Amino acid sequence: AQSVTQPDIHITVSEGASLELRCNYSYGATPYLFWYVQSPGQGLQLLLKYFSGDTLVQGIKGFEAEFKRSQSSFNLRKPSVHWSDAAEYFCAVGGDTGFQKLVFGTGTRLLVSP
Amino acid sequence: NAGVTQTPKFRVLKTGQSMTLLCAQDMNHEYMYWYRQDPGMGLRLIHYSVGEGTTAKGEVPDGYNVSRLKKQNFLLGLESAAPSQTSVYFCASSYGTSGGSAFFGPGTRLTVL
Repeated sequence: AQSVTQPDIHITVSEGASLELRCNYSYGATPYLFWYVQSPGQGLQLLLKYFSGDTLVQGIKGFEAEFKRSQSSFNLRKPSVHWSDAAEYFCAVGGDTGFQKLVFGTGTRLLVSP
Repeated sequence: NAGVTQTPKFRVLKTGQSMTLLCAQDMNHEYMYWYRQDPGMGLRLIHYSVGEGTTAKGEVPDGYNVSRLKKQNFLLGLESAAPSQTSVYFCASSYGTSGGSAFFGPGTRLTVL
């Protein structure tokens, strides 16, 4: 069965520092991978997605993620964090069988310190 | 273009009461979904619809019913609310399959006393 693990429940980063949020997945075939962000009191917004091709994908708001098949990982990165990046981040995995089959991780809450 | 909207934003119910949550989208999406979000558990799919007049069960359908009478609307009903249904409910919509991403509404915070 497919699954997603986000090992960090909370992460605190200083403003201007780099960020990496971890995501490990289990999936029997080539996965479709997503990162979503949820600001307080808001719904989820898509940051980026990977289907195939270049394993380094660029997203909105300066985020990027790298797909590493050998490590079953899809970590999210940002070179310089802004205070407005404080939010909860969700990784999700699925296949080409439809969005309803996506499995979400439990999320990582990012705190940004001044 | 409002995207995905949800009504109401907040609601408090007593055990045994019923209510309906309304989701509306103006993007002409075929697919619509209802999720619940609980602390430490991420998002779990309750029901979904692949088109007007169709519905299907997700991961946690018990205690909920849905209807998709119009393409743009997806209703989630609780016939007899229980405290275990205290949660934040999100509606989402998408163009279709092939791993397409979805657009989410702002959520409804429901408390059942």
